[in-house]
Amino acid sequence: EPEVTQTPSHQVTQMGQEVILRCVPISNHLYFYWYRQILGQKVEFLVSFYNNEISEKSEIFDDQFSVERPDGSNFTLKIRSTKLEDSAMYFCASGQGSGRGNQPQHFGDGTRLSIL
Amino acid sequence: KNQVEQSPQSLIILEGKNCTLQCNYTVSPFSNLRWYKQDTGRGPVSLTIMTFSENTKSNGRYTATLDADTKQSSLHITASQLSDSASYICVVSASDDYKLSFGAGTTVTVRA
Repeated sequence: EPEVTQTPSHQVTQMGQEVILRCVPISNHLYFYWYRQILGQKVEFLVSFYNNEISEKSEIFDDQFSVERPDGSNFTLKIRSTKLEDSAMYFCASGQGSGRGNQPQHFGDGTRLSIL
Repeated sequence: KNQVEQSPQSLIILEGKNCTLQCNYTVSPFSNLRWYKQDTGRGPVSLTIMTFSENTKSNGRYTATLDADTKQSSLHITASQLSDSASYICVVSASDDYKLSFGAGTTVTVRA
């Protein structure tokens, strides 16, 4: 069964550094998402991406964050200048339909980002 | 503000027993409600998706119910197995945006 794959599984970065988290969504999916989960807290929506543009973003997704689908297969999340509070598990998800529809979102196993 | 509340926060059950998890939501306008299972250190996996018109949906030993009038849902686990130990997350989608609103989850521990 096709899977969403994320790399790396764990990223350790110094505060203030840029970090890029990578995801390969399921190949025939059209909608792409990033979520984060701070340790012990609920999963939070960051951004959705459709037709090569951001379709929605949360208040968490400020100017320090950006997303890109550079080559039609990868989907990346960039944090320009990391802060301690960016430490979390970041999940990529993809789906054939949007959240409004009845298609499931398939999640990767996440990248644990640790900011020192 | 869209909110999803789950109860209990955690529960422990013996293998073979049944349990029911609760979810209340205030998401509007409502589109659909999903239950996900999240194993420790893994991403969430979809169990069920229900729209406004669906009252119940099953996936093996998991049965979800939805009462859209009272904005409540439940997830029933039948004949629990050790592999059912996980966090179960209620997720609600509004019809006017793309994002999903997550509950905090119920941590289920199944003991032999």
